[in-house]
Amino acid sequence: GAVVSQHPSWVICKSGTSVKIECRSLDFQATTMFWYRQFPKQSLMLMATSNEGSKATYEQGVEKDKFLINHASLTLSTLTVTSAHPEDSSFYICSASDGRSHYYEQYFGPGTRLTVT
Amino acid sequence: KQEVTQIPAALSVPEGENLVLNCSFTDSAIYNLQWFRQDPGKGLTSLLLIQSSQREQTSGRLNASLDKSSGRSTLYIAASQPGDSATYLCAVLPNTGNQFYFGTGTSLTVIP
Repeated sequence: GAVVSQHPSWVICKSGTSVKIECRSLDFQATTMFWYRQFPKQSLMLMATSNEGSKATYEQGVEKDKFLINHASLTLSTLTVTSAHPEDSSFYICSASDGRSHYYEQYFGPGTRLTVT
Repeated sequence: KQEVTQIPAALSVPEGENLVLNCSFTDSAIYNLQWFRQDPGKGLTSLLLIQSSQREQTSGRLNASLDKSSGRSTLYIAASQPGDSATYLCAVLPNTGNQFYFGTGTSLTVIP
């Protein structure tokens, strides 16, 4: 089956620093990747949608200058949290969709736990 | 805007019992619906995917049904086991666009 990996799985950083999270599709080409944020005991909140080679589309209320998304290849998307603050602490999950699949099934990464101190 | 709701928010059952989780959505113009499982602190595992033209999908002890016209889907779990304890999420993909809309989740606890 399709596998999506995320790196790192958890990260602790100091307030004011930037953190980069990678999302990779290991055995398929992901024409579209999605970045979600999840707070404890809550559902997933879509942050942005990225298509390979084009700018990401951000959801309302998500600061694009703070959450930089790059989808440089069909197997890699990165989310950079710039000038992180404690309120950015959360569980970040990416997913990838195989555009060649007729069913547009989403495959999710294992998530990245970000803690900003 | 599509809104997806799951009822109940939490469910606790004894081992061996059959159970049903519910998912409802406001806009019936969907391309597909997906059920996921999430363990604490982990990512999502896809359980079943139902296309809009399908009425149900089965995988092992799991059966998902879809009634698009009424905006409902159910996930049936037969002979529940403690290992089934997790949060179950449904998500719908509209006919237009590629944004998935997630439900609020049902936290399931199966008591040994």
